[in-house]
Amino acid sequence: GAGVSQSPSNKVTEKGKDVELRCDPISGHTALYWYRQSLGQGLEFLIYFQGNSAPDKSGLPSDRFSAERTGGSVSTLTIQRTQQEDSAVYLCASSSGPSYNSPLHFGNGTRLTVT
Amino acid sequence: GQQVMQIPQYQHVQEGEDFTTYCNSSTTLSNIQWYKQRPGGHPVFLIQLVKSGEVKKQKRLTFQFGEAKKNSSLHITATQTTDVGTYFCAGFSGTYKYIFGTGTRLKVLA
Repeated sequence: GAGVSQSPSNKVTEKGKDVELRCDPISGHTALYWYRQSLGQGLEFLIYFQGNSAPDKSGLPSDRFSAERTGGSVSTLTIQRTQQEDSAVYLCASSSGPSYNSPLHFGNGTRLTVT
Repeated sequence: GQQVMQIPQYQHVQEGEDFTTYCNSSTTLSNIQWYKQRPGGHPVFLIQLVKSGEVKKQKRLTFQFGEAKKNSSLHITATQTTDVGTYFCAGFSGTYKYIFGTGTRLKVLA
């Protein structure tokens, strides 16, 4: 079956521009996560959606970052007024959660480069 | 906030040698998962541990969850070049989000 799909796979943008990153989770998965991974670094939690509950936004680094999940499926991560330090790979993951017994299934990520 | 640290950060081994990475959480965990990320790839789920003191094996890989449920380890016996990658632990503490460890990057020299 289809896995987690992210688009675009690569995005180069100029400093100060806004960008939108898209994530299509595995069909039927109720939980969706966004993580950020800088080059050679670990995974930094950004935001978590579970069903129709209010999202856990505790990992968003600034108010320039926002995310939404429409219809409990597709999610969009928006970064406004991009800065060079936003350059990273943005990974989306979904799980059949919210049970803690659910493994995360990751997409291939969007590599964002801010010039 | 919850923090999950892993040591070592990097490990280079000769093919055939053993390898161990350790994961330590600042808080007690409900469960812990392990992921492997190949160079240029995305993390892929390996295994989940739930019970205190639990030990699970997958071929050459042995996973252990500490008695206090605050630490875990992954041991690879007789490494192969296919084991190359970064190994992450991810702790779940009941806030419905997984906090990933800092990762251990393994390089296997043929």
